[in-house]
Amino acid sequence: QQQVKQSPQSLIVQKGGISIINCAYENTAFDYFPWYQQFPGKGPALLIAIRPDVSEKKEGRFTISFNKSAKQFSLHIMDSQPGDSATYFCAAATSYGKLTFGQGTILTVHP
Amino acid sequence: NAGVTQTPKFQVLKTGQSMTLQCAQDMNHEYMSWYRQDPGMGLRLIHYSVGAGITDQGEVPNGYNVSRSTTEDFPLRLLSAAPSQTSVYFCASTGAGRASTYEQYFGPGTRLTVT
Repeated sequence: QQQVKQSPQSLIVQKGGISIINCAYENTAFDYFPWYQQFPGKGPALLIAIRPDVSEKKEGRFTISFNKSAKQFSLHIMDSQPGDSATYFCAAATSYGKLTFGQGTILTVHP
Repeated sequence: NAGVTQTPKFQVLKTGQSMTLQCAQDMNHEYMSWYRQDPGMGLRLIHYSVGAGITDQGEVPNGYNVSRSTTEDFPLRLLSAAPSQTSVYFCASTGAGRASTYEQYFGPGTRLTVT
């Protein structure tokens, strides 16, 4: 049973555009929602994270929007750049370091 | 700091063979875990450890064993390799002081093919 569902599977955006990736979760005990970025041949790396007591968190061009009542959260990448081309994973955790990941989204930003 | 290191980078096994994937971290992190990554399925937790001598099963533990005799090392053993274990394996660690963020540091991965 997939506890964190992520969409879309792949996304193509033009340089300067906005990339949006969505995730939905089922377990209301989740209390930490990170996004990881992975480049080919590398391990995932933490990009940005949010806790359910806030509805939005912004770090540079990256923003997480969180809707607790709908059990959904999303990643917005503003002014997308070719260097943002990577696989993005949402995740959720109920306890210290035990992450449940979404299926991943392959983002391609065309110059 | 080298961070999280994994060896080997690549491995090809025949069905039924056994092997150990090595993972080490030099950040004095308490929490370590193993994930496998398969296309379209994200990363799935295999086993994890909250400290030396303590391990527990994750989402997909069958066919794998782990032990944690030191803080630094967390090897993953494949007992009798099967083609279904063809995957990319990632080791990760989290420090006690990072509990407020749960940030996991991932190694570079081991790509395993079982024929």
